[in-house]
Amino acid sequence: AQKITQTQPGMFVQEKEAVTLDCTYDTSDQSYGLFWYKQPSSGEMIFLIYQGSYDEQNATEGRYSLNFQKARKSANLVISASQLGDSAMYFCAMTSTGANSKLTFGKGITLSVRP
Amino acid sequence: DAGVIQSPRHEVTEMGQEVTLRCKPISGHDYLFWYRQTMMRGLELLIYFNNNVPIDDSGMPEDRFSAKMPNASFSTLKIQPSEPRDSAVYFCASSLSGKNTEAFFGQGTRLTVV
Repeated sequence: AQKITQTQPGMFVQEKEAVTLDCTYDTSDQSYGLFWYKQPSSGEMIFLIYQGSYDEQNATEGRYSLNFQKARKSANLVISASQLGDSAMYFCAMTSTGANSKLTFGKGITLSVRP
Repeated sequence: DAGVIQSPRHEVTEMGQEVTLRCKPISGHDYLFWYRQTMMRGLELLIYFNNNVPIDDSGMPEDRFSAKMPNASFSTLKIQPSEPRDSAVYFCASSLSGKNTEAFFGQGTRLTVV
């Protein structure tokens, strides 16, 4: 079974500073993928970044990077140079890359960027 | 492609009525997921399909909920009879099997049962 844990109740960051959003996971699969999604107040789900379990380097997409520590089963999202528009709910998710891949989400973290 | 299309965007219905939510996945995607989002429970996976076949419906809360995927371009989630506690935002998402493929979400259907 897959499980995603996001325990930070809510995060605040000053504009232009970096912030790390925590995510730990549990799975018995050897091959899996990890995702982060953003959900602004408007409600849509926006894909941010992907990390494969066999990827040797941490994924990066613009101001987003994923700090992947496989042995610790953590996949933290780092947002550099925070902007006011980054204020949103952030979800960590995972799927196995084998057959019948189930996409499971954590409970999410609320990020507020202060001007 | 127009992305994942869900209808209706908003639905208000009376308790006891049947509700049908609709989803058109992205063409060519072979996975389709139905999620329910509430403040209390977050984003719950209700059911997902692979190549139109239901793979795991263990997240479906009760027998009042049912989902179908008659073809690769259409899926429905039905609640009969609806109850106030079913009020939530229901998302449909689709993805393509393989590595490094994210799920694309529809805009969601906000259901209110009064």
